[in-house]
Amino acid sequence: KQEVTQIPAALSVPEGENLVLNCSFTDSAIYNLQWFRQDPGKGLTSLLLIQSSQREQTSGRLNASLDKSSGRSTLYIAASQPGDSATYLCAVRGGSGNTGKLIFGQGTTLQVKP
Amino acid sequence: GAGVSQSPRYKVAKRGQDVALRCDPISGHVSLFWYQQALGQGPEFLTYFQNEAQLDKSGLPSDRFFAERPEGSVSTLKIQRTQQEDSAVYLCASSPDRAYSNQPQHFGDGTRLSIL
Repeated sequence: KQEVTQIPAALSVPEGENLVLNCSFTDSAIYNLQWFRQDPGKGLTSLLLIQSSQREQTSGRLNASLDKSSGRSTLYIAASQPGDSATYLCAVRGGSGNTGKLIFGQGTTLQVKP
Repeated sequence: GAGVSQSPRYKVAKRGQDVALRCDPISGHVSLFWYQQALGQGPEFLTYFQNEAQLDKSGLPSDRFFAERPEGSVSTLKIQRTQQEDSAVYLCASSPDRAYSNQPQHFGDGTRLSIL
C-alpha cells in the first residue's frame, strides 16, 4: 500500500530565505507526482506536476525534483515571501491497477515572517 | 465555469440526517474525483468517475456513502444517517482526460460538513 510522508509538518522562516520541503513515498511505481498549495478554508491549487520519467519541474521561484528510485521528492522555494505562507501537499498518482487517484501526504504548513 | 464549483460551502447537520453535496466540474472534463479531508490531514480518496461511469469506489468508508454522476457532468455525494466521524471537508476534483493522464487534477474549494 502506497504511503506518502511529508517532513517537516510545520516550518517557520524569515522572509527572503530559500527553503526545501520534503516528500517521500513507499512504492516507486508511480505515474506522476504533484505538489499543491492549500490556503486556509480553500481547495488545492496545483503548483507543479512531475511525470515519472522526469527529474524536475520549475515554475517561477518553485522547483520540484523527483527521485523515483529512492521514493523522494523535494519542493524548493527561492526567496520566500509572506504570500507563500500556506500548507503544501505532495501527492502521488499510482501506476498500474490504479484509476488515477491521488495519495496525499499530510502536508507541511509554512509560515514566512515579514 | 472557470473552475470546479462545489455547493454548499458549509453544511451543518444533526447526527442521523442525510446530506447531499454537489460538484460542478470544469466543463468537458472527463474525470471526476471525490476526496475527504479531515482537519490537519491530507485529502483521502473516496471515489472516481470517468464520464458517468463510477470506476473506483474503493475509498468510500461505508455503505452510507453514495456518489453519482448520471449525465457525466455534475456529481452528487450523498451521505445517509450521518455520524460525527463524517465531519470533514469534502473536496471534488476534475481533470480533462482519463485516469492515466499527466493532466493535473483541479480542485474545488470543498464543502465543510459538520455533524452535531
